[in-house]
Amino acid sequence: DAGVIQSPRHEVTEMGQEVTLRCKPISGHDYLFWYRQTMMRGLELLIYFNNNVPIDDSGMPEDRFSAKMPNASFSTLKIQPSEPRDSAVYFCASSLRRGGSYEQFFGPGTRLTVL
Amino acid sequence: KNQVEQSPQSLIILEGKNCTLQCNYTVSPFSNLRWYKQDTGRGPVSLTIMTFSENTKSNGRYTATLDADTKQSSLHITASQLSDSASYICVVTPIGDSWGKLQFGAGTQVVVTP
Repeated sequence: DAGVIQSPRHEVTEMGQEVTLRCKPISGHDYLFWYRQTMMRGLELLIYFNNNVPIDDSGMPEDRFSAKMPNASFSTLKIQPSEPRDSAVYFCASSLRRGGSYEQFFGPGTRLTVL
Repeated sequence: KNQVEQSPQSLIILEGKNCTLQCNYTVSPFSNLRWYKQDTGRGPVSLTIMTFSENTKSNGRYTATLDADTKQSSLHITASQLSDSASYICVVTPIGDSWGKLQFGAGTQVVVTP
């Protein structure tokens, strides 16, 4: 299995531009998560989906952030307009809740720099 | 206030030595507690998971312990190797199995030197 795939791995953009991060979860997993990681705040859960439906988006910082999951194999996290404080590493993770296991498998992350 | 506190923030150890990382939590009741290892530039990878009724779990040279009475967990690394250099993150899942309520520690940065 290829694991969780994220693209791009690195993104550098200017303030005000739209940024789209992409994620392909592990095939068969029914949960998908978007996280943000910074030195100051550590890992933060932004939003998660179950069977392509957003369940909890209380971690999304503000209206500039939006996430979609049009099908079981693809999700996007969009920031519009981007700001320098959005600079962070964004992780996508997927999980299959089965038999009491709650293990999440993380992708390699997208390092976003907003100038 | 963060409900999961990890210590130390960072540590340096010599290759071959043992070390212990601490995780103190206030989340209660909780469903499970997990330790992740995160290599630089990569996503976290699960090392161990313990339910509230377990008090120890091993994964190779990694051994996690849990004391539900004192609300403390530790991760012990035996005979450290250079590849153990990473950040180790403690994560607690509150009861009710709500993914949105996961509580993350800030992590302990471990550097293993030759």
